[in-house]
Parts: sequence; C-alpha cells; structure tokens
Amino acid sequence: KNQVEQSPQSLIILEGKNCTLQCNYTVSPFSNLRWYKQDTGRGPVSLTIMTFSENTKSNGRYTATLDADTKQSSLHITASQLSDSASYICVVSGNDMRFGAGTRLTVKP
Amino acid sequence: SQTIHQWPATLVQPVGSPLSLECTVEGTSNPNLYWYRQAAGRGLQLLFYSVGIGQISSEVPQNLSASRPQDRQFILSSKKLLLSDSGFYLCAWSVGDRGKQYFGPGTRLTVT
Repeated sequence: KNQVEQSPQSLIILEGKNCTLQCNYTVSPFSNLRWYKQDTGRGPVSLTIMTFSENTKSNGRYTATLDADTKQSSLHITASQLSDSASYICVVSGNDMRFGAGTRLTVKP
Repeated sequence: SQTIHQWPATLVQPVGSPLSLECTVEGTSNPNLYWYRQAAGRGLQLLFYSVGIGQISSEVPQNLSASRPQDRQFILSSKKLLLSDSGFYLCAWSVGDRGKQYFGPGTRLTVT
C-alpha cells in the first residue's frame, strides 16, 4: 500500500471555479510535504513545501494546508485557469521521499 | 542560476537494444541526483539516487543501471531494453537529502 494516497484520481472543473485536492499519508517519521505541478510531458515543478510546524502555505492562487496530527494535506486552487490543467503530485519526506500517484486536473472553458 | 538538462527528449528503441540517457546539472556543486520513471497515468517511481561521484543507490531491481562519472553528470543505461521499460524518465537534483528537488524536462522512451 502506498504511503501517500491522493484523491481524487482525476477532476474536471470549469474555468474560474475553485477546487481542493487531497493528500493522506502514513509516512513516519515526517520531515516535510511538498506539492508539485506537472504539465503533460514535462518535469514536475514545486509549488509549496511545508514542515511539521506549518499549517498553511500559499503560492499565488495555490494554497496548501497541512494537518500533521491527522496526516492530511490539501491543495486549494482558487479561480482556476486553463493553465492549471496538469497533474498535481504530493510528496512526503521522512527517512526517504514518497510520491503520491497524483491528481489529474482538467480545467475546461 | 541552476539548470538541469536531459537528452534526448524523445526516444524510440526496439526491444533488446541498449539505452543511454544523460542528465547534467549546472550551477551547483555536489548535488544529490535522482532518476525517476513515470509510466503512463502512474506516479513517479524512484529508480536510482546518488549522493556523490561513483555512489549509486538502487531502489528497484531491474535491467537498468546508473552511473555518475562526474559530479554533475548522471547517466541511466540498459544493455537490453524490455517493453516494460517504456515510460517517461525524469532526472532531478537536490541539495542534501531533504532539499527541494528540481526536475529536468524528461525523456519519453518508447520501446517497440
């Protein structure tokens, strides 16, 4: 069983709408949690990184939250744009790095 | 500034042929280097990582190998490709084990 589970697997929303992606993990010990955006056919690009003591971190229209007690993180995208269409990958670091399978987001006009 | 290069961008190879993918990093010294594979519709799978020249750790046993002949050069190789080797191969670097990883543009490999 993967130690990092992301949901939903895929999501389709209309341009301008908000959405929230989820990441649940069982990685222990915990060091940090990152969210990456990966455009089709490209390498992932880091959006946010949070350590144990951080509850929320924003990067423009992207806001990530972390609840280290329940081992859950979310990535909230506000006022979505067509360019937000991508896979979003949650990565949790402890003794090593564990990758989620990603959520495929499609933003339609 | 740091940059990471991978080539080729795409590659089509027959089963049984050899493979060599190259990754180079500029603008940093003694980075940790990583090779990942991403199968279609799947997550990233760590294949190899290196903390220094000649130091390679393998995460998944397979017919692939990696080498680090220079500080900022990481090579992924195979003597005989299998159909299951098809995928998107990504090289990444970081400063230390816990640092942010920076990914290259990737190589799309199709084994026919």
